[in-house]
Amino acid sequence: QVQLVQSGAEVQRPGASVKVSCKASGYKFTDYYIHWVRQAPGQGLEWVGRINPNNGDTNYAQKFEGRVTMTGDSSIDTAYMDLNSLRSDDTALYYCARPDCSSSDCHTLEFWGQGTLVSVSS
Amino acid sequence: DIQLTQSPSSLSASVGDRVTITCRASQYIRTYLNWYQQKPPKAPKLLIYATDNLLSGVPSRFSGDRRGTDFTLTISSLQPEDFGTYYCQQSYSGPGTFGQGTKVEVK
Repeated sequence: QVQLVQSGAEVQRPGASVKVSCKASGYKFTDYYIHWVRQAPGQGLEWVGRINPNNGDTNYAQKFEGRVTMTGDSSIDTAYMDLNSLRSDDTALYYCARPDCSSSDCHTLEFWGQGTLVSVSS
Repeated sequence: DIQLTQSPSSLSASVGDRVTITCRASQYIRTYLNWYQQKPPKAPKLLIYATDNLLSGVPSRFSGDRRGTDFTLTISSLQPEDFGTYYCQQSYSGPGTFGQGTKVEVK
């Protein structure tokens, strides 16, 4: 069965960087995009971006352009999201998710990781 | 980006009630509208995709519909386990934006 297992909680200072991992299993890693969605405490869902693990192509939400980098390592079926210049309002649960189909037009997120809490505090 | 506006933002209903949540898209998105259920502290769970298709295992009391750019999620007979926050999401074009959520409380 499809599983996405994320790395553990992180506490970072403002201005620092954080790297969250998402290990995939149960399917061919390079066949599907990995999306990243975040949720600030008590707030809704916000799409951060996505990566095509097959060729490294990425799309980022405009508000994160320049601060986020998504990568993938197909040798260990793991995707990464690196967010730098952290601010207190980056405190959130960060989820990785896999769409229900493999084309670039697929945005329906069928499978989700368990979430990684990133806390930014001085 | 396509905007989605959900209403109401929260509701409280009794077991057995019929509950309807609305999601209005800012532009035409055909039937590319999904619904997710989230129960803290868990990740969102896909319930309905492409307007009215229930994911396998989702109870038949859940249904989805569309009229133009207005989409609805209906729970025909609310059950205690249906508490949580429901989000719509458009998958018509990237980024796959979400509505702001509707929190459902079961009295």
